Amino acid sequence: QSVLTQPPSASGTPGQRVTISCSGSSSNIGSNYVYWYQQLPGTAPKLLIYRNNQRPSGVPDRFSGSKSGTSASLAISGLRSEDEADYYCAAWDDSLSVVVFGGGTKLTVL
Amino acid sequence: QLQLQESGPGLVKPSETLSLTCTVSGGSISSSSYYWGWIRQPPGKGLEWIGSIYYSGSTYYNPSLKSRVTISVDTSKNQFSLKLSSVTAADTAVYYCARLPGDPASEIDYWGQGTLVTVSS
Repeated sequence: QSVLTQPPSASGTPGQRVTISCSGSSSNIGSNYVYWYQQLPGTAPKLLIYRNNQRPSGVPDRFSGSKSGTSASLAISGLRSEDEADYYCAAWDDSLSVVVFGGGTKLTVL
Repeated sequence: QLQLQESGPGLVKPSETLSLTCTVSGGSISSSSYYWGWIRQPPGKGLEWIGSIYYSGSTYYNPSLKSRVTISVDTSKNQFSLKLSSVTAADTAVYYCARLPGDPASEIDYWGQGTLVTVSS
């Protein structure tokens, strides 16, 4: 079991907006920044969102992050076929003194 | 452009020690601005944090692996290393090395390509 909870799958059609949730607790999401990573098949993860809602240079503004209390969300608007990937949320956990990950959400573009 | 490259045996026998090295190029591992970490991903499964290290040697380990893990740094070679002892089949995974800008709680902005380590006799 992962410390952070994500839905195992999500889907959408091209052009749609999809959101992926990430639920945690007061010791992780509730008190620390949330990060999101995109992992395309057969490749290393890539940073998508840092500090809850900041996009690294080069990440399209179709990707956005938000956080409220002990939950966070990743939204992808204008869905494209190349967005088909696994998405992971992550946060530092104060109780465990370690980075904890969600179990990952496999996004399918129909 | 910063690059991280994992190296080490792709096959380790049960009960032995897994040893991997990450070579950093295009930047200095001795920079005070970064931590360096290891993450693994069993085949078909999610990501698991192993631990991280500062150039001074300060470390953070996943409590679930702490008794078996050692992460060290060699600033003269611009490398950091992972040792995981008493491995079992459950330790079979792709192992990634990574850079964290700031502190152990920060994001990973650079990842190595990953190396598959299989534990089998």
